[in-house]
Amino acid sequence: DTAVSQTPKYLVTQMGNDKSIKCEQNLGHDTMYWYKQDSKKFLKIMFSYNNKELIINETVPNRFSPKSPDKAHLNLHINSLELGDSAVYFCASSQDSGVGNSPLHFGNGTRLTVT
Amino acid sequence: GQQVMQIPQYQHVQEGEDFTTYCNSSTTLSNIQWYKQRPGGHPVFLIQLVKSGEVKKQKRLTFQFGEAKKNSSLHITATQTTDVGTYFCAGGFQKLVFGTGTRLLVSP
Repeated sequence: DTAVSQTPKYLVTQMGNDKSIKCEQNLGHDTMYWYKQDSKKFLKIMFSYNNKELIINETVPNRFSPKSPDKAHLNLHINSLELGDSAVYFCASSQDSGVGNSPLHFGNGTRLTVT
Repeated sequence: GQQVMQIPQYQHVQEGEDFTTYCNSSTTLSNIQWYKQRPGGHPVFLIQLVKSGEVKKQKRLTFQFGEAKKNSSLHITATQTTDVGTYFCAGGFQKLVFGTGTRLLVSP
C-alpha cells in the first residue's frame, strides 16, 4: 500500500485555469505538508497542517489554498494559474507536530505544467 | 529567515571514487536529516542525526553532525551508479528547512 499518495501525477493546463491536487496518507501521521520543487530542484515548504489546523503558511500567493478535511487528507487548490506555477508539487507527512523533529514521507509528486 | 546551504551544487565522479556533500545552517539545529531523490523520483528519508558530533553509518554512507549542530556531511565511499541522484540535508529548527541539494552523477 502506498503510504502517501497524490493525484494527479501530471497536470498540464493553460494560464488562468483553476486546478486541484489531492493527497492522502495512510500512515496515521498528524502533520501533512505541501512542498514546491522548482526547475533548480530547490524544495520549498508551502503549507503544513497538524490535525486539520494550518500551522505553517509560507509566503505563498493567496491563489494557493490548501484544505484539510481530515488529518489523512490535504488538498491544494490553485486559482488563476500562472506560468511561474510550473513545478513539481510534493505532498508529505510526518509523525510530529510539524516542528521538524520527525522524518518526512513524500508522495510521488505532481508535475504541473502551465502553458 | 533560516537558511541551509549545501556544497557542492553538483558533482560528477567515476564509479569507485568517493563523494562528500556538506551542509551548513545559519542557525543551531535540533536535528539534521538526509534525503535522497533519484531522477524523476521523490525525496526518500535516509537518516536523522540528533546529538552534537554524532556519526552514523549505513553501508558505504557515513553521516556526521557537527559539534555546534550547525553543519553536517554525507560521505559515500566507492560510489556506484545506483548512488546517482540529488542528496538533500534538512535542518530541524521549529520547522524542517531543506538544503539546496547536491546532485551526484556517477559514470561507469
